[in-house]
Amino acid sequence: GAGVSQSPSNKVTEKGKDVELRCDPISGHTALYWYRQSLGQGLEFLIYFQGNSAPDKSGLPSDRFSAERTGGSVSTLTIQRTQQEDSAVYLCASSLWGARSTDTQYFGPGTRLTVL
Amino acid sequence: GDSVTQMEGPVTLSEEAFLTINCTYTATGYPSLFWYVQYPGEGLQLLLKATKADDKGSNKGFEATYRKETTSFHLEKGSVQVSDSAVYFCAPSGGTSYGKLTFGQGTILTVHP
Repeated sequence: GAGVSQSPSNKVTEKGKDVELRCDPISGHTALYWYRQSLGQGLEFLIYFQGNSAPDKSGLPSDRFSAERTGGSVSTLTIQRTQQEDSAVYLCASSLWGARSTDTQYFGPGTRLTVL
Repeated sequence: GDSVTQMEGPVTLSEEAFLTINCTYTATGYPSLFWYVQYPGEGLQLLLKATKADDKGSNKGFEATYRKETTSFHLEKGSVQVSDSAVYFCAPSGGTSYGKLTFGQGTILTVHP
């Protein structure tokens, strides 16, 4: 079946612009995660959605970052006033339940963001 | 918070050599343990996992055993192939709450013919 999809695959933007990154999780998965992969910081957790519960935003690096998940499915990660240190690969993952640590997370191909 | 210490790379081996990538972790509660792999030009994918102490996860000839007493989850393969060249990530999943993954820094493996 279809896996996690992300768009765009690549995004180049100028410093100070806003960007939106999209994630389509696997159908039926209730949990959705955003991670960031960068050379300096490795792979780090950003935010987590579980069903209709309030998201866990504990990993967002600043208030310029926000995310929403509409209808329990598609998610959008928004970065306002982008900075060069935001350059990274942004990964989305989904899992069936999320509330259990045993669940496998399935990752999308990522969006490579470059801030000039 | 949770943390992972993973064997530094890069690791370079000849085909058919034995592979060990060490991983130790600190985590609250009782985490599940995962190894993810990222092949060149591809996304992150699950390699194997173990969800309770002494469990052995295995896939594609790779194995790792959940050692609670030493908080370790070392990855091993008896005979590596060129196609195993990739970046390997160890990751415990939140022990007391949900499945947030805390990743190690990754180990680059290169296998030569």
